[in-house]
Amino acid sequence: AQKITQTQPGMFVQEKEAVTLDCTYDTSDQSYGLFWYKQPSSGEMIFLIYQGSYDEQNATEGRYSLNFQKARKSANLVISASQLGDSAMYFCAMRPLGAGSYQLTFGKGTKLSVIP
Amino acid sequence: SQTIHQWPATLVQPVGSPLSLECTVEGTSNPNLYWYRQAAGRGLQLLFYSVGIGQISSEVPQNLSASRPQDRQFILSSKKLLLSDSGFYLCAWSVTGNEQFFGPGTRLTVL
Repeated sequence: AQKITQTQPGMFVQEKEAVTLDCTYDTSDQSYGLFWYKQPSSGEMIFLIYQGSYDEQNATEGRYSLNFQKARKSANLVISASQLGDSAMYFCAMRPLGAGSYQLTFGKGTKLSVIP
Repeated sequence: SQTIHQWPATLVQPVGSPLSLECTVEGTSNPNLYWYRQAAGRGLQLLFYSVGIGQISSEVPQNLSASRPQDRQFILSSKKLLLSDSGFYLCAWSVTGNEQFFGPGTRLTVL
């Protein structure tokens, strides 16, 4: 079974500053994928970034980067140069990689508020 | 490009009434399809997934059922709604099996 822990219910960041959202995970699988999603107030879940457990380099997508520390079982999301539109809920998720493995396990989320 | 549609966007239903939520995907073939539920202030819980027409896997026992009558159509149903069925229902699709892409969701309130 997989478990995702997001210990920050809410975070504040000044506009144009960087912010790190924490995510730790627990799994017995050797191969797995880690995901971050953004959920604005409209409700839609927007895929941000993906990291495979076998990837040696941290994933980056524009202003988003994933700080993957496998030994610590952490997959923190770093948002650089925060914008007002970044205010939203952010969810960390994971899934085993292998045939028949489809279920994404989500954390409880972190609410990010960007202050002008 | 691929798009995913869900309707209705919001729904208010009395306890004991039936439910039918529809999800369709455009721009891809033979996608994996998923139904999730999000309770207020919580993460998402997978309810059902489908890897092909007529193939449905249930993740949690509940008052709901799912069907996939066509390749790109996924339906979530209930014969009699319970108060505990209230929540935000999200449909998602994937092809490679890695990232899943979500629809706009349906907010269901059972009174």
